Amino acid sequence: QKEVEQNSGPLSVPEGAIASLNCTYSDRVSQSFFWYRQYSGKSPELIMSIYSNGDKEDGRFTAQLNKASQYVSLLIRDSQPSDSATYLCAVRVTGNQFYFGTGTSLTVIP
Amino acid sequence: DVKVTQSSRYLVKRTGEKVFLECVQDMDHENMFWYRQDPGLGLRLIYFSYDVKMKEKGDIPEGYSVSREKKERFSLILESASTNQTSMYLCASSLENRGLGTEAFFGQGTRLTVV
Repeated sequence: QKEVEQNSGPLSVPEGAIASLNCTYSDRVSQSFFWYRQYSGKSPELIMSIYSNGDKEDGRFTAQLNKASQYVSLLIRDSQPSDSATYLCAVRVTGNQFYFGTGTSLTVIP
Repeated sequence: DVKVTQSSRYLVKRTGEKVFLECVQDMDHENMFWYRQDPGLGLRLIYFSYDVKMKEKGDIPEGYSVSREKKERFSLILESASTNQTSMYLCASSLENRGLGTEAFFGQGTRLTVV
């Protein structure tokens, strides 16, 4: 079983809509959760981190964490064409490794 | 700003060559990582290091070795390059896992083609 699972997509949403990206993880001792955005041919860049249950908002982005369900999600409000990218979910467990999902490809249609 | 710098953005090497990929970080991070990224396979960990001269194998270490002689520098070595090592290579660094604020920071990536 993979440590971190994401729907690969592709996910398409119209400009201005809400994009919802989901991620599940298998390790119950996971401590820290991250969402990275990766444009084609570029390296991943951190957009959100979340450590405790509930919602965390940063501008148009909201991360949601439910440790009991081992589920973390990212909502992008008012989606823009510039949000078109692959979004990687990452989990850090006790110890020093990160576990990454394979990413969800998002396309925002103008 | 944290900066992770990889020595090359694009690299073309011949089969059988020994290849060195260099990575330098400027934030005094304890941990450094080498990943390769292939379409449909996501990020796969090759090696990581949690201290100078310390290294741990990741998921796909075969055909690779690493060196960490100084805290800021982590090198990936392809002992004898093969065409199946054509990939995007990503270096990352992070603080030791103390809980909050310990995300990974990535370099710009090296697109390696082995011909």
